[in-house]
Amino acid sequence: ILNVEQSPQSLHVQEGDSTNFTCSFPSSNFYALHWYRWETAKSPEALFVMTLNGDEKKKGRISATLNTKEGYSYLYIKGSQPEDSATYLCAGGGSNYKLTFGKGTLLTVNP
Amino acid sequence: NAGVMQNPRHLVRRRGQEARLRCSPMKGHSHVYWYRQLPEEGLKFMVYLQKENIIDESGMPKERFSAEFPKEGPSILRIQQVVRGDSAAYFCASSRLQAPEQYFGPGTRLTVT
Repeated sequence: ILNVEQSPQSLHVQEGDSTNFTCSFPSSNFYALHWYRWETAKSPEALFVMTLNGDEKKKGRISATLNTKEGYSYLYIKGSQPEDSATYLCAGGGSNYKLTFGKGTLLTVNP
Repeated sequence: NAGVMQNPRHLVRRRGQEARLRCSPMKGHSHVYWYRQLPEEGLKFMVYLQKENIIDESGMPKERFSAEFPKEGPSILRIQQVVRGDSAAYFCASSRLQAPEQYFGPGTRLTVT
């Protein structure tokens, strides 16, 4: 996978708002889609790995969907909290190890 | 269970010096990946190693960069004769098998003066 795009680049929401952002990738030569959560000065934390078209994954208030035919994934956060503030990275894998990352979406949740 | 460890966290080198970045994978992980993040860019794959083997180094610059993952000890990313353009954050990840989940370390921020 050569090009992974994420939008928006940054996002400010109020505590309690629900939000979502997008990751798009070429639908050809697709193997897996990864989402990471990355707080400043810490390690990127793995959230989800999805491989099948129509996959939906959920962890607490965060969920993700995958459409491999049209080449996009959405990440949803329900009832955003200040501790959700981070950069959310998606990465496409055209193989089972070589990840191509987007530039991330920086989420700021205001109390 | 300790996560992926990287050291140093910050490294300053003058042009022409050598930089050595170390990565200790998570316990039980035998696969290591190195990524680089240049300013304003996303993470870019550099190299994938297993113990004593380089599996894929297609993302490594052709000159001055090398990586190893010996039988004992951490994985090392070595940059010889550093230049200002090498200033970046270098991240290491590890996994049990060939992915799918790669666990990342906190990165080493290299500054070349």
